Amino acid sequence: GEDVEQSLFLSVREGDSSVINCTYTDSSSTYLYWYKQEPGAGLQLLTYIFSNMDMKQDQRLTVLLNKKDKHLSLRIADTQTGDSAIYFCAVDNNAGNMLTFGGGTRLMVKP
Amino acid sequence: KAGVTQTPRYLIKTRGQQVTLSCSPISGHRSVSWYQQTPGQGLQFLFEYFSETQRNKGNFPGRFSGRQFSNSRSEMNVSTLELGDSALYLCASIPGQGQFEQFFGPGTRLTVL
Repeated sequence: GEDVEQSLFLSVREGDSSVINCTYTDSSSTYLYWYKQEPGAGLQLLTYIFSNMDMKQDQRLTVLLNKKDKHLSLRIADTQTGDSAIYFCAVDNNAGNMLTFGGGTRLMVKP
Repeated sequence: KAGVTQTPRYLIKTRGQQVTLSCSPISGHRSVSWYQQTPGQGLQFLFEYFSETQRNKGNFPGRFSGRQFSNSRSEMNVSTLELGDSALYLCASIPGQGQFEQFFGPGTRLTVL
């Protein structure tokens, strides 16, 4: 089945850019997602990219997709302390109704 | 527009009991998916319903079941609870009809003692 991998931890200084990386195995995914989870909360949809796109920008967020290498990244510009959370990468199956998640990357932003 | 509602938010049960969790999707959304989140296994897909029909099921035992009503609200049931069923159960609301963004509710935190 599908496998999605993320690094466990990232620490940055406030104001710097953060880049969270994700690799996946199934090339038939249609949508690829980034979710944010704060302590004790559910998943907040940050952004998603359609599989025929290379890049998507949404305010401070930039998603890059390299389909050849099956690599997805999320760049957060001007990272703030409020961005501290766990970030999950997720890819759908080709029917679009099931997501496979990575293990999550804990982002810590130091003031 | 109201978001995804899950009830109850917290639940404590003992082994062997059963539990029913409820999810009300975003108005107009026709599909609901359920996920289990645990520290050890991460986020795992349970099942997905569209127009009252289960379209996809994850790799969970038959103790886990669900259903969807005509108003798109969904329930999931876990029978004969085990300690390992302690988890955050998340429901996702999906527009359907060619739109696949999945919006999650706050989850139900189930603790099995």
